[in-house]
Amino acid sequence: QQPVQSPQAVILREGEDAVINCSSSKALYSVHWYRQKHGEAPVFLMILLKGGEQKGHEKISASFNEKKQQSSLYLTASQLSYSGTYFCGTESAGNQFYFGTGTSLTVIP
Amino acid sequence: NAGVTQTPKFQVLKTGQSMTLQCAQDMNHEYMSWYRQDPGMGLRLIHYSVGAGITDQGEVPNGYNVSRSTTEDFPLRLLSAAPSQTSVYFCASSPRQVNGYTFGSGTRLTVV
Repeated sequence: QQPVQSPQAVILREGEDAVINCSSSKALYSVHWYRQKHGEAPVFLMILLKGGEQKGHEKISASFNEKKQQSSLYLTASQLSYSGTYFCGTESAGNQFYFGTGTSLTVIP
Repeated sequence: NAGVTQTPKFQVLKTGQSMTLQCAQDMNHEYMSWYRQDPGMGLRLIHYSVGAGITDQGEVPNGYNVSRSTTEDFPLRLLSAAPSQTSVYFCASSPRQVNGYTFGSGTRLTVV
């Protein structure tokens, strides 16, 4: 029931772009994205609702393809502050909400 | 607003002991959940609640109990601690599923 994220880890240089994918085997109502810094709690970035929308948050945006039960997070012109672990979270029938296994993102100068 | 408050921040238990992890939110959120986080496994749902008096199991509920007598509080009880329950525990709340979750700062639990 836990969504699958890919890649597991990525290293970027400042200014480079990255894409993180999230895939579920269940029909989804919504997809959330969170970022967690080491030793801290996850922080909410954005939510995408059923309808195939795309959203943006500064230089971080995401898309949701409900037919494929997939979402992607796009980080453009990465900054050092983007480093952390990114989690997708998916809501499906029954009010249950599950997080993916996470993608570790490291941005180096 | 304090947000989501978890206590304690750190705890060491002996195998077989019981304890309660506290979680309180002051945002009048209906949805509350408990997750455990282990290296390489992300955040796994233990129990959740969609309102006072309503609780349900997540994907890893064994060894844990919850109750939701008020909107504000959602304690997690470990019945008989085992080393496999060594983890970081997060409580989270949301007004409803279409809003993001706010997390507490976590409880790092070690069972020896």
